[in-house]
Amino acid sequence: DGGITQSPKYLFRKEGQNVTLSCEQNLNHDAMYWYRQDPGQGLRLIYYSQIVNDFQKGDIAEGYSVSREKKESFPLTVTSAQKNPTAFYLCASKLKTGVSGQPQHFGDGTRLSIL
Amino acid sequence: SQQGEEDPQALSIQEGENATMNCSYKTSINNLQWYRQNSGRGLVHLILIRSNEREKHSGRLRVTLDTSKKSSSLLITASRAADTASYFCATETSGSRLTFGEGTQLTVNP
Repeated sequence: DGGITQSPKYLFRKEGQNVTLSCEQNLNHDAMYWYRQDPGQGLRLIYYSQIVNDFQKGDIAEGYSVSREKKESFPLTVTSAQKNPTAFYLCASKLKTGVSGQPQHFGDGTRLSIL
Repeated sequence: SQQGEEDPQALSIQEGENATMNCSYKTSINNLQWYRQNSGRGLVHLILIRSNEREKHSGRLRVTLDTSKKSSSLLITASRAADTASYFCATETSGSRLTFGEGTQLTVNP
């Protein structure tokens, strides 16, 4: 079955530590996205990538970094510069870059907490 | 920035009743999409309505779009307990990204 896999499901970060969240898709989608969701709120865009080896900042990119070395993979690193990282992180993908009217497909998220 | 604002923030109804959720936005859009999120899970796409469409149906879902008022509504008819979830509208102004609203938490009581 095609889909998006996020791992781990739960992650704990110590002070001053960088952590990396994994997102893998086997849908052959061009575009991938990372969102942050705080309790009772909507999704805010962190970074997105429309093509391999290229990515753009979203609305809340500070304290985060990404890479897109393969079409299937779009890992997100939460750096120690992100002072309030506790949140639910969602990865999504879309079939074609720059084409309007296509839905995004989501993984089941990673819940990150501070130790 | 959050373009979409949803109303109400929370809605509690009895099974069999209809549920209506509203979404307002600020700028011109290409399309508006509705997503559902079960607790602790990812979002699932429900329905998409383009800016040149006024109404769209999918099963028990009915979506309307009024571009002059910059608003949309999602109607779920004959609700079931399994419809309990958060519902989000998302607007697309270009082909690259969506902007999500804050969501409506729907509870359907058996």
